[in-house]
Order: sequence, then structure tokens, then C-alpha cells
Amino acid sequence: AQSVSQHNHHVILSEAASLELGCNYSYGGTVNLFWYVQYPGQHLQLLLKYFSGDPLVKGIKGFEAEFIKSKFSFNLRKPSVQWSDTAEYFCAVENNAGNMLTFGGGTRLMVKP
Amino acid sequence: EAGVAQSPRYKIIEKRQSVAFWCNPISGHATLYWYQQILGQGPKLLIQFQNNGVVDDSQLPKDRFSAERLKGVDSTLKIQPAKLEDSAVYLCASSLRQGSNQPQHFGDGTRLSIL
Repeated sequence: AQSVSQHNHHVILSEAASLELGCNYSYGGTVNLFWYVQYPGQHLQLLLKYFSGDPLVKGIKGFEAEFIKSKFSFNLRKPSVQWSDTAEYFCAVENNAGNMLTFGGGTRLMVKP
Repeated sequence: EAGVAQSPRYKIIEKRQSVAFWCNPISGHATLYWYQQILGQGPKLLIQFQNNGVVDDSQLPKDRFSAERLKGVDSTLKIQPAKLEDSAVYLCASSLRQGSNQPQHFGDGTRLSIL
């Protein structure tokens, strides 16, 4: 069974600071990788996804993530955060048959204006 | 397109009572999922349907939880009897079909509180 670990539970940044949220997974086979975001009072929304191809994927709102297979990692980055990025971010992995989407524990990001 | 619809948004019951949640997926989505999200944790998959068949229910506590998707469209999740540790947000999600490399779309969830 796969598992996902997000290293930071809470992150506080000032506007314009750079962001990197760590995500590591464990699974023996080929995986699909996702970052979901949950803004206050809203439902989970897809930020970006990786299925195959270029390991550097770009998502909405200036976010990107890099899949490093040798490190089993899929870290999320943004060069300059905004107050509106305040949210909870979840990394998730599923096997490439589309089964068993497994989420990490989430990282709560607060951006100070 | 309309999103995943869930009801009710909130439910408060006493332990040992029964409760049911309803989900209507995005039109045309063959795969439907139920998740449990306990406060401070990520969502945990309870059950996955492909049309009206169960694909995976390995993490569903079958002694008290049940789910059905009889006509392959909307779905209900039931807890009977509820325990204190069932307090959580229950999320429904849908995707076009399993293995289609299409992401899951989530509903707003039902927040369940057990007294």
C-alpha cells in the first residue's frame, strides 16, 4: 500500500516570499501524483497533476511541482506567494491504474500581507 | 459544469444513532469515491465505485459503514451505529472513469459531529 508524507504541517510566510512544500511517497510501482488545495470554506480543488512525461509540471496560479523519481518526491513550489494563497495543501498519490488515491496529512499555509 | 453535490452539509447526532449521506457526482462520471477526513488529517478513501460496482472497499469499516450506488449515478453512505470517532467530514468525489488519467473532483463534504 502506498503512503504519503508531508514534512511541514504549518508554514507562515510573508507576501512575495518563495514557497516550497515537501512531499514524499512510498510505493513500489508507477504512480500518478497530485497536489490539491483547499481554500478556507471551499472544497478541495486540483492544483496540478503528474501522470507521465516532463517531471516539472505547472499548475494554476503560478504553482509548479517537480517529480524526482529517485527521491520519491513531488515538492510544490511557487516563487512569490500572495495573501490569497492562504490555504491547506494536500499531496496525493495513486497507482497508475487509477486506484487508491492516498493523501498526505496536509500543510496549512498562512501568508501574511 | 455543475460540481459534485453532497447533502446534508452538516449533521449532528448522538452516538449509536444512524446517519446517511447523499452524493450526486458530475454528470457522466463513472467513478465515485467516498472519503473520511478527520480534523487535522488528509482525506482517507473509504470506498470506490466504478458505475454501480465496488472497486475497492478495503478501508471501509464494514461492521458499521455501508455504501451503495444502485443505478450507477448517485450514492449514499450510511453509518449504523455511529461512534464518537466517526466525527469527521465525509467527502464525495467523482472522476470520468478509473484509469482515464482524469483527476477527481470533490464535493463540499458533510461535516458529521457525534455527541
